[in-house]
Amino acid sequence: AAGVIQSPRHLIKEKRETATLKCYPIPRHDTVYWYQQGPGQDPQFLISFYEKMQSDKGSIPDRFSAQQFSDYHSELNMSSLELGDSALYFCASSLPGSYTEAFFGQGTRLTVV
Amino acid sequence: GQQLNQSPQSMFIQEGEDVSMNCTSSSIFNTWLWYKQDPGEGPVLLIALYKAGELTSNGRLTAQFGITRKDSFLNISASIPSDVGIYFCAGQTNFGNEKLTFGTGTRLTIIP
Repeated sequence: AAGVIQSPRHLIKEKRETATLKCYPIPRHDTVYWYQQGPGQDPQFLISFYEKMQSDKGSIPDRFSAQQFSDYHSELNMSSLELGDSALYFCASSLPGSYTEAFFGQGTRLTVV
Repeated sequence: GQQLNQSPQSMFIQEGEDVSMNCTSSSIFNTWLWYKQDPGEGPVLLIALYKAGELTSNGRLTAQFGITRKDSFLNISASIPSDVGIYFCAGQTNFGNEKLTFGTGTRLTIIP
């Protein structure tokens, strides 16, 4: 079965650079979530989209932005990268409606040097 | 904000033993989910619970949605080496399409 696809799997950037992370949800899933997981931490919610509109916002820095496109894939744009942005970034997707579970991608490991 | 306290933080067991972990919240959740995460990988959904008092099994895994809606537990019977990993509970305040609030995780290690 198709899963959530994230790219790239690994990314190394220098401080103050920008990064773009991509997420391709499971077919027919119209809701996408982004999470950030620091070393030894639980995933923290950043932002979500439903039907291409932002549906909820968590602890996402102003330096980050995201959007969901017409084909439902989503991109997380990160600017002015800081060392503290080094983390695993996960995307999850779910079907519309109630009683739906979120399925996660394999993540992008971002390292800022 | 909402917090999910998960315990124990870590467990060291021998193969074949049963495992039990739980999650408690200061507020009500309407959905509880249990995930397993291997190092460097994304969380994999194990069990979803939608009804207070619900007891659900998935193979050797059993999870329950607490009657107060503020807690959940996960049991693993007859542990095997591939059970090693970090287990997270996660809650949603509404039914689906809602962000997940994760517990602090339980790291399971199997001693040879």
